[in-house]
This record gives sequence, C-alpha cells and structure tokens, in this order.
Amino acid sequence: DVKVTQSSRYLVKRTGEKVFLECVQDMDHENMFWYRQDPGLGLRLIYFSYDVKMKEKGDIPEGYSVSREKKERFSLILESASTNQTSMYLCASGPPSVPYNEQFFGPGTRLTVL
Amino acid sequence: GENVEQHPSTLSVQEGDSAVIKCTYSDSASNYFPWYKQELGKRPQLIIDIRSNVGEKKDQRIAVTLNKTAKHFSLHITETQPEDSAVYFCAATLANQAGTALIFGKGTTLSVSS
Repeated sequence: DVKVTQSSRYLVKRTGEKVFLECVQDMDHENMFWYRQDPGLGLRLIYFSYDVKMKEKGDIPEGYSVSREKKERFSLILESASTNQTSMYLCASGPPSVPYNEQFFGPGTRLTVL
Repeated sequence: GENVEQHPSTLSVQEGDSAVIKCTYSDSASNYFPWYKQELGKRPQLIIDIRSNVGEKKDQRIAVTLNKTAKHFSLHITETQPEDSAVYFCAATLANQAGTALIFGKGTTLSVSS
C-alpha cells in the first residue's frame, strides 16, 4: 500500500510565524502535490513537483513556497503566516503522468493561524 | 489554464435511488478525468477514472461518462446506499511541458438517507 504521511494532524500558529508542513511518501513517486481544502472551494492546487529540486506553481501559490530536496519529501512553507491561511492542507503523491495519473493523499494537516 | 465546474454542490437521495454528478472542463487538451470520494474526516480516494479515448466506464454500481465534444463528464451511482454518503470531487488534467497535475471541482456533498 502507498503510504503518504504528513508531519502534523493539527497545528496552531500565530500571525507572522514561519510554518513548515512536511510530507513524506514511501512509494518512490516522482510527482508530489500540495493542496488546501476549504468548505465550498474544493481542493485547490498550491504547488507541485515532478522531480527533486523542481517545482511548479498551481492555482494559488501566493504566500507559499515549497522545497523538495529528496524524492520522498515535499515541504510546504508559509513564510509569514496570516489568518487567511487557516485551512486544511493535503499532500499527495503519484507516479509519472503516463500511463497513470492517480494521486494518493495524506491524512491532512489542519492549520489554524491566530 | 484549466477550469473545472461541478454541479450540484449538494445532493440528497433516498437509499436505492440513483445519483448523478456533472462536471465541465475548459481545456480541450485534458485527457484524464478521475473522481475522488472523501468520507467525513478521511482523505480523498480515487473511485473511478476515465481517459479521453473512452466514452464510458463502469465499475459495479458506479459509472462515468465522457463527452469530449461538449467537454463534460458525469458520475453515476446506482442503487445508492448510506455508505455512499460523502463528498465527491471530479478533476481534469492540467498538462504542461514538465508533466501533469489535476485541477479539481469544488465538490458535491451526497447524502443518502435510509
């Protein structure tokens, strides 16, 4: 079974803090993704990565950055957390786009910024 | 870029009835259309997918249809059961030179009452 883990299930931070969300997958997947999930807005893509040290912007990259130093680990960074970044953050991984595109999700991190 | 619209946002049915969720997409280059199910408090999981060279795919009580000309695809659940209650997300591929990501619809909350 594919296992995607995230460093925290719940996280509470203060406005202006630097926040790191970590994601690790154990299936040697090339692709990794970060989404945020808000009620009524679905899953919105923040950043994704196809390879080590490589990143692509998704729909809502503003206020976020990412790091992928090792194939199995993809980090989401909030440089200066703001209250509008309070959300559920989901990481996902998947094999190369051809022939399969299935993404496997982690359990999510619920981040609250006070 | 790709835009995915999903309707309805909520759907209530009686056990045994059928449920249909519809999605439209904007990028004619999209070639892969998965559906994910997210039960309360759990991570999204792939339930069925369809590729652009196929018009319909069925797996027991669930089926997906694709109309590439009209750029829409639908999820059909027959003989609904209470355990089908969940949020369902459709998605379409967003392709660029580096690889493929998914753009998700906003989700449909399906409630099946017994």
